[in-house]
Amino acid sequence: DAMVIQNPRYQVTQFGKPVTLSCSQTLNHNVMYWYQQKSSQAPKLLFHYYDKDFNNEADTPDNFQSRRPNTSFCFLDIRSPGLGDAAMYLCATSRRRGRGDTQYFGPGTRLTVL
Amino acid sequence: GESVGLHLPTLSVQEGDNSIINCAYSNSASDYFIWYKQESGKGPQFIIDIRSNMDKRQGQRVTVLLNKTVKHLSLQIAATQPGDSAVYFCAENEGGSEKLVFGKGTKLTVNP
Repeated sequence: DAMVIQNPRYQVTQFGKPVTLSCSQTLNHNVMYWYQQKSSQAPKLLFHYYDKDFNNEADTPDNFQSRRPNTSFCFLDIRSPGLGDAAMYLCATSRRRGRGDTQYFGPGTRLTVL
Repeated sequence: GESVGLHLPTLSVQEGDNSIINCAYSNSASDYFIWYKQESGKGPQFIIDIRSNMDKRQGQRVTVLLNKTVKHLSLQIAATQPGDSAVYFCAENEGGSEKLVFGKGTKLTVNP
C-alpha cells in the first residue's frame, strides 16, 4: 500500500550522462514536489507541479528538468550530472495548493555520479 | 528556518526518557508547521502537524508545542524508544503557499 513510489531506489550514472528518476503516487494528489537532499542537510526544494503548472525554484540549476505527463507520475531529468549532483532525491505529494497541507514523501532515490 | 550548515545538532537520550527537540522558525507569516522523522536511507515520515491558531497538539507519544511570540516549535517524545532514533526536521509553511521550508534537523540517538 505504498503511496509515493520512487524508482529506482539507487541509481549510478557517469559524469555527464543524462539520468531520469521516476516518482509515482496512488494518492491522487494535485501537487508533486522534487527535493534534493545532501548528507546531513535538510531537503532542498528543486521544483513542484500543481497539476500541470510547473513552478521552478529560483536557484535550481538549468541542468535539472521535470516532466509530469499525468496526475500519477512525475520525472526528474538531470541532463548532465556533475559530481556535485550526487545526493538523495526525494519526491513528495500534497493534496492541494495554497494553504499549508501535509507533504507525503517517497523513499528517495540515492544518486551516485562516477 | 532556512537550513544551513553541514553539522546536525544532536540529542542523545536513554531509552524510556522523554525527549525534547527544538526548532526556531524565521517567518512570522508561517501558519502551518510539521515535524518529520527521517531514518537513515529513507524519506521523511510525517509525525505531527500544528496550525498557528493552536499552541499545543498531541499525538501518540508525541506532543508539538508552538510559541508564536518567540517563533519556536518543539517536539516532545514520551518514553523514547530505540526505534525513535532518527533525524527530526521541523518544516514551516507560509500561508497561501504550498511550499515547505525545512529547519536544520536534529539527530536523536536513543541508548538502550
